[in-house]
Amino acid sequence: QLQLQESGPGPVKPSETLSLICTVSGGSISSGSYYWGWIRQAPGKGLEWIGSIFFTGSTHDNPSLKSRVTISIDTSKNQFSLNLRSMTAADTAVYYCARLFGGYRYGYVDYWGQGTLVTVSS
Amino acid sequence: QSVLTQPPSVSGAPGQRVTISCTGTSSNIGAGYDVHWYQQLPGTVPKLLIYGSVNRPSGVPERFSGSKSGTSASLAITGLQAEDEADYYCQAYDNSLSGWVFGGGTKLTVL
Repeated sequence: QLQLQESGPGPVKPSETLSLICTVSGGSISSGSYYWGWIRQAPGKGLEWIGSIFFTGSTHDNPSLKSRVTISIDTSKNQFSLNLRSMTAADTAVYYCARLFGGYRYGYVDYWGQGTLVTVSS
Repeated sequence: QSVLTQPPSVSGAPGQRVTISCTGTSSNIGAGYDVHWYQQLPGTVPKLLIYGSVNRPSGVPERFSGSKSGTSASLAITGLQAEDEADYYCQAYDNSLSGWVFGGGTKLTVL
C-alpha cells in the first residue's frame, strides 16, 4: 500500500522559507505513471494546489504564489520536497503531499499524505 | 474567489437526493478537462470520490455519481446518509492558469 508522509521543521517565522519533505513508501517515485504534488488547506478554508513535479524533475506551480515555490525530487531517496519562500501569516495551512494519477492536465489525487500543519508566527 | 464555483452549503434529509454544482469557464471545464470530486469528512484527509467526471473509484458507493455538461459539473448523492456529512470539492485543470484549480468547497449537512 502506497504511503506518503510529510516532514518539516514545525513553526515558521514571517519572511522565512518553509521546507517540507514528502517521503514515499510502498512504491517508486520514479514511476513514469504519476506526478507528485503539494496541496494546502488554510484553517477552515478550501484546497489550494501549490505545484507538481514529475520524476524527470519537470515542475509546474501555481502562478498565484508569485514564484515563491520550488519543488524538487530525489529519486534515490524516494522523496520530493517543497520550498516556499517569504512566508506570511496567509501561508498558515495544512500542507499535504500527494500522488497525482492520470497525467498533469487530466489528473487527480489518488493518494494523500496525512498533512502537516504549518503555522507562521513570530 | 475560487476559479471553480460551488455553493457554500447544501442540505438534505436522510434518504433524499442532493446535488452539488461546480461551475467553471471555457478555460477549464468548458475546455473539456475532466472534473474530479473529493470528499473531506470532518478532521480527515480528502478522499477521491469521482474521477474523470463520471467514474467512481473502487469502494465508493453507487449512491455517488458525477456528470458534466458544458462549463459545469455536478455531484449527485442519492439515499443520503448521516455519514455523508462532509465537505465536497471539485477539481480540474485550467489552461489559462496552466495549473490545477479547486472549487471553494460545499458543506453538506444531513438534517
